Amino acid sequence: AQTVTQSQPEMSVQEAETVTLSCTYDTSESDYYLFWYKQPPSRQMILVIRQEAYKQQNATENRFSVNFQKAAKSFSLKISDSQLGDAAMYFCAYGGSQGNLIFGKGTKLSVKP
Amino acid sequence: NAGVTQTPKFRVLKTGQSMTLLCAQDMNHEYMYWYRQDPGMGLRLIHYSVGEGTTAKGEVPDGYNVSRLKKQNFLLGLESAAPSQTSVYFCASSYSGARAVYGYTFGSGTRLTVV
Repeated sequence: AQTVTQSQPEMSVQEAETVTLSCTYDTSESDYYLFWYKQPPSRQMILVIRQEAYKQQNATENRFSVNFQKAAKSFSLKISDSQLGDAAMYFCAYGGSQGNLIFGKGTKLSVKP
Repeated sequence: NAGVTQTPKFRVLKTGQSMTLLCAQDMNHEYMYWYRQDPGMGLRLIHYSVGEGTTAKGEVPDGYNVSRLKKQNFLLGLESAAPSQTSVYFCASSYSGARAVYGYTFGSGTRLTVV
């Protein structure tokens, strides 16, 4: 069965600095999708970025980018120029042939002014 | 606005009471899901549906039942609530289904407390 591991329960970053959140996953599949979701205190789950496993190019969405290492089964999220509004829980998720998404346990990001 | 709507947003139950959480989506999505979120546990799949009239068990189905009588609605029932079911419940739907290619659209969640 596939698993998703987020090894950092909590992270902290200074405003305007860069932070990287880690995610590793375990799978025997070659075709899958990876996601990062943000959950602010409002509780709403917001899709931040999406990566297709068959694409070598790392996905980028404005200040958010990923470092996708397929062989290492690693999918880290980099947030550049961190803003106070980036403070949230971040969940890494795997989508494979089983149909549903499998989520990591989350990383709580704090942003210091 | 198009999306996934969950009702209610908050609820307090006494042990042994029953209730139904309603999830409605207006995006014509085939796949719908119920997850629970607990501190330090991430999101865990309770039940899901791949289409009208179908349901299947997820990772933590015990104590819950579901129904999908209409494509746009997915109901989660607790027959006899227990304190261990205190959690935040999320409904989600998926356009692509088979591999959740585009991820999920989530509802805003229901915070349930069982006392």
